[in-house]
Amino acid sequence: DTEVTQTPKHLVMGMTNKKSLKCEQHMGHRAMYWYKQKAKKPPELMFVYSYEKLSINESVPSRFSPECPNSSLLNLHLHALQPEDSALYLCASSPQLAASGANVLTFGAGSRLTVL
Amino acid sequence: EDQVTQSPEALRLQEGESSSLNCSYTVSGLRGLFWYRQDPGKGPEFLFTLYSAGEEKEKERLKATLTKKESFLHITAPKPEDSATYLCAVLGLTGGGNKLTFGTGTQLKVEL
Repeated sequence: DTEVTQTPKHLVMGMTNKKSLKCEQHMGHRAMYWYKQKAKKPPELMFVYSYEKLSINESVPSRFSPECPNSSLLNLHLHALQPEDSALYLCASSPQLAASGANVLTFGAGSRLTVL
Repeated sequence: EDQVTQSPEALRLQEGESSSLNCSYTVSGLRGLFWYRQDPGKGPEFLFTLYSAGEEKEKERLKATLTKKESFLHITAPKPEDSATYLCAVLGLTGGGNKLTFGTGTQLKVEL
């Protein structure tokens, strides 16, 4: 299995809702990532987990709350979002959290989030 | 701070018309330069990693090359299915060497 699976594919939520995005991989990767991508922009790193522990938080607002229940799963909990948070949210995984060109990120297809 | 600039922003080719995409970069301690392909509404798909100047890699109609300041993605005799956004990213020592810096991409359209 060489895939990163993200659910849901599409999500529409109001500013007062609480929802979650889910990501799963079965490649035995120990690093998992959340990226945010706006239209015609490059992916922006949000969070990185290594061995189920939060390793990097790119100063993301607290209305985004990541969770890594185990080595295969990564969640992103959403609460009190703003319309400007509407974007494609990408999950990725890599073998390790390492400064190496061999540490290639595999991306999921993304969750398209619309905040009304 | 690592920086990646891609050009052109958009490129329209006729089927079979070869061309090149450019990725200029500045990075502290290059650990790898990556090319990804992204289809609309999908996640980036890995194509190549280049590590050092002079290196070249090929996959079907695509060939990636690397110098000390830029990388090129050459597309030979493209087909409509090559239409996508091509993203370049670098991994350096910034942020402990764990943070990819992406360019804004080149949106390629190949027409019949």
